[in-house]
Amino acid sequence: NAGVTQTPKFRVLKTGQSMTLLCAQDMNHEYMYWYRQDPGMGLRLIHYSVGEGTTAKGEVPDGYNVSRLKKQNFLLGLESAAPSQTSVYFCASSYGGRGNEQFFGPGTRLTVL
Amino acid sequence: DQQVKQNSPSLSVQEGRISILNCDYTNSMFDYFLWYKKYPAEGPTFLISISSIKDKNEDGRFTVFLNKSAKHLSLHIVPSQPGDSAVYFCAAPNSGGSNYKLTFGKGTLLTVNP
Repeated sequence: NAGVTQTPKFRVLKTGQSMTLLCAQDMNHEYMYWYRQDPGMGLRLIHYSVGEGTTAKGEVPDGYNVSRLKKQNFLLGLESAAPSQTSVYFCASSYGGRGNEQFFGPGTRLTVL
Repeated sequence: DQQVKQNSPSLSVQEGRISILNCDYTNSMFDYFLWYKKYPAEGPTFLISISSIKDKNEDGRFTVFLNKSAKHLSLHIVPSQPGDSAVYFCAAPNSGGSNYKLTFGKGTLLTVNP
């Protein structure tokens, strides 16, 4: 049981480049989330999904797109990377519902030059 | 508007002593709270939770206290160990139909010195 995995672990982009972060979970969770963590800012929700084929905006969605074509995968895309998107990105999944524990992946450290 | 606040960015304690991490919230609709622990270069992991029907929940060395009237909760670690050194996040599920979403505090970095 791998839990939540993220690919890649590290990435350096130039401004304007695009990339996709992949998140996979093997717990059959309905709900998946993408967060970013910046120094002194805690965890902020970018986008989330409440089931296969659904996506919704979180707190800081601008500059990102997501897709949930398969229940176990949640992709986060940056179409034109900006230095402000330098951050650590975490994917999480949960069964959903009140107070349900979210399980997090190990993170992707992204630097945009 | 920051609905979950952790006003202490860092805390340093000696091994064997008590660590007390604090969290305040502004939304009176919050009725469940979670604490997550995060080591460097790893994702957060769930530590302990508490429902608003309780004022205390204990799990081994970790105890969370909830004071609803003050909109305040605290995480006590007794005794503290060097392996407890990590960032601790307080979180609360949104109320109503979006209760699957969590609002996180900014975190407190705990350092336990040997």
